Amino acid sequence: RKEVEQDPGPFNVPEGATVAFNCTYSNSASQSFFWYRQDCRKEPKLLMSVYSSGNEDGRFTAQLNRASQYISLLIRDSKLSDSATYLCVVNSGGSNYKLTFGKGTLLTVNP
Amino acid sequence: ETGVTQTPRHLVMGMTNKKSLKCEQHLGHNAMYWYKQSAKKPLELMFVYNFKEQTENNSVPSRFSPECPNSSHLFLHLHTLQPEDSALYLCASSGGQGIHEQYFGPGTRLTVT
Repeated sequence: RKEVEQDPGPFNVPEGATVAFNCTYSNSASQSFFWYRQDCRKEPKLLMSVYSSGNEDGRFTAQLNRASQYISLLIRDSKLSDSATYLCVVNSGGSNYKLTFGKGTLLTVNP
Repeated sequence: ETGVTQTPRHLVMGMTNKKSLKCEQHLGHNAMYWYKQSAKKPLELMFVYNFKEQTENNSVPSRFSPECPNSSHLFLHLHTLQPEDSALYLCASSGGQGIHEQYFGPGTRLTVT
């Protein structure tokens, strides 16, 4: 099982749609979880950290299920500017500094 | 955004050349990282430095040699690279001391001919 596995995508949705991304991780000792976004030919940028209780930032909601080792990201009322690759990121258990990145899921929001 | 800067942004080098990539962070962080991003592959961690000390070397070939003179600067010295080393090389920094979010520079797009 890959350390971090994401929906392969791509996702093509119309503006205003709700879209959900799923991610699973294999290391049960992992303690920190993040979603990053990466625009084409740019660097990854932190979108949000994921907390055990779930957290929301505007149109974005992240959920964590430790028992199932599953992370999700929900985007509501999607905008054209949300088009990007979304990266699920998990720290490797036992290391405070080693983050493992998923391959990413490409989202295209269409007018 | 100028929190983490990298130079050069693009580099073309032959297999016998020696070149260096530079990274500088202006965020007051104490941990710095080098990553490699190849097409169709996830980001791969190469090196981690915390308070100038190397804490991770992710089985990187010796043709890549990192240097961290202080907590704000990180270099990646390159020599006798192979065409398969062509990739986007990303530098990141974080606050260290526990798990903190990492912030990335714009990357150096390297082509080895």
